[in-house]
Amino acid sequence: GQQLNQSPQSMFIQEGEDVSMNCTSSSIFNTWLWYKQDPGEGPVLLIALYKAGELTSNGRLTAQFGITRKDSFLNISASIPSDVGIYFCAGTSFYSGSARQLTFGSGTQLTVLP
Amino acid sequence: DVKVTQSSRYLVKRTGEKVFLECVQDMDHENMFWYRQDPGLGLRLIYFSYDVKMKEKGDIPEGYSVSREKKERFSLILESASTNQTSMYLCASSYPMYPDGELFFGSGTQLSVL
Repeated sequence: GQQLNQSPQSMFIQEGEDVSMNCTSSSIFNTWLWYKQDPGEGPVLLIALYKAGELTSNGRLTAQFGITRKDSFLNISASIPSDVGIYFCAGTSFYSGSARQLTFGSGTQLTVLP
Repeated sequence: DVKVTQSSRYLVKRTGEKVFLECVQDMDHENMFWYRQDPGLGLRLIYFSYDVKMKEKGDIPEGYSVSREKKERFSLILESASTNQTSMYLCASSYPMYPDGELFFGSGTQLSVL
């Protein structure tokens, strides 16, 4: 399948700080999504992006679909303790084996220190 | 609220045993998926189904099979469990407009094969 490179792998930040993480691919993606997995739960969709250049916000979260269609970033402003979890990027490309498949990044483990 | 329920939160099995992981969704979704989650590797697709009795291989189908006899239920079968199948298994479902739609995940089954 297609590869997504997600970074950083883990982050330790102080409560109140802003956070940024990103995903890159060597091939073009036509959909980018960001999921969050709380400890002990399954991932939940945070933001979906469908157009190159699209910038979308959901509360303190902002995500962008890169102009080249090969990258996306997620920003979290003013982090709080409940932001702890694993954040996954995911996307579909023209080269996916099936339109029903998403490719997931390896995840960013976020820890928020009081 | 959409609910995807996985039958077991934790399972411990012995090498060579046949293992069944069950998943039920209550939103009448056509599409259902099985992923495995390993640290540093993200989510990898094992199998998916877009209709009753229909299935397609994902990226890592070796050692697994699936069954979908009813629309709401999707089972993952490990015919002869091996230690390298120790992992977190996540079931998901989605509306027919996938991949533009959202994946709804269960809470996961942590399987340990001894």
